[in-house]
Amino acid sequence: DAGVIQSPRHEVTEMGQEVTLRCKPISGHNSLFWYRQTMMRGLELLIYFNNNVPIDDSGMPEDRFSAKMPNASFSTLKIQPSEPRDSAVYFCASRLGLRETQYFGPGTRLLVL
Amino acid sequence: SQQGEEDPQALSIQEGENATMNCSYKTSINNLQWYRQNSGRGLVHLILIRSNEREKHSGRLRVTLDTSKKSSSLLITASRAADTASYFCAQRGDYKLSFGAGTTVTVRA
Repeated sequence: DAGVIQSPRHEVTEMGQEVTLRCKPISGHNSLFWYRQTMMRGLELLIYFNNNVPIDDSGMPEDRFSAKMPNASFSTLKIQPSEPRDSAVYFCASRLGLRETQYFGPGTRLLVL
Repeated sequence: SQQGEEDPQALSIQEGENATMNCSYKTSINNLQWYRQNSGRGLVHLILIRSNEREKHSGRLRVTLDTSKKSSSLLITASRAADTASYFCAQRGDYKLSFGAGTTVTVRA
């Protein structure tokens, strides 16, 4: 089992550039979560998908952030335009049905200069 | 959006000693979960305790839950160098988890 796959693992970009983070959940999992982790704010839920449908995007910081899940095996988190305060580690996690355990990917470490 | 608070923020112990960390939360829960994060890695689920349970064991892990005090504790017995990590409690409300700030545990050889 490959686990949750995220790409890229590291991203360095300049302010104003578009950033796209990618996630492949565990096969068969129908819930997907995007989190952001920073020293100041800890681990924050950005958006939650169930069966490819966004259920809760109240954690998305602002309109510069958008997320899509076009099919059960792929999701993207896009930041356009990026700002230095977006620098963080972004995690994707998936879950099977109503089971409790979330499985996290290795994260994407984003640095916006 | 941190709903829980872990205590202490950091803990340094000798290999073989026990490590205890606490978590307080604010709202009612369905369950409370503990996760481990090794440096530079994603979170890994350790153990879950339901709101109607008071204590649960898994290997060297022991979790307690006191819903009247809205608190939980995680005990790691006979710690090993490999236990060096950050530990997070996460409260499950409806469908999502709300994570605490974490306790960083360092196990010295």
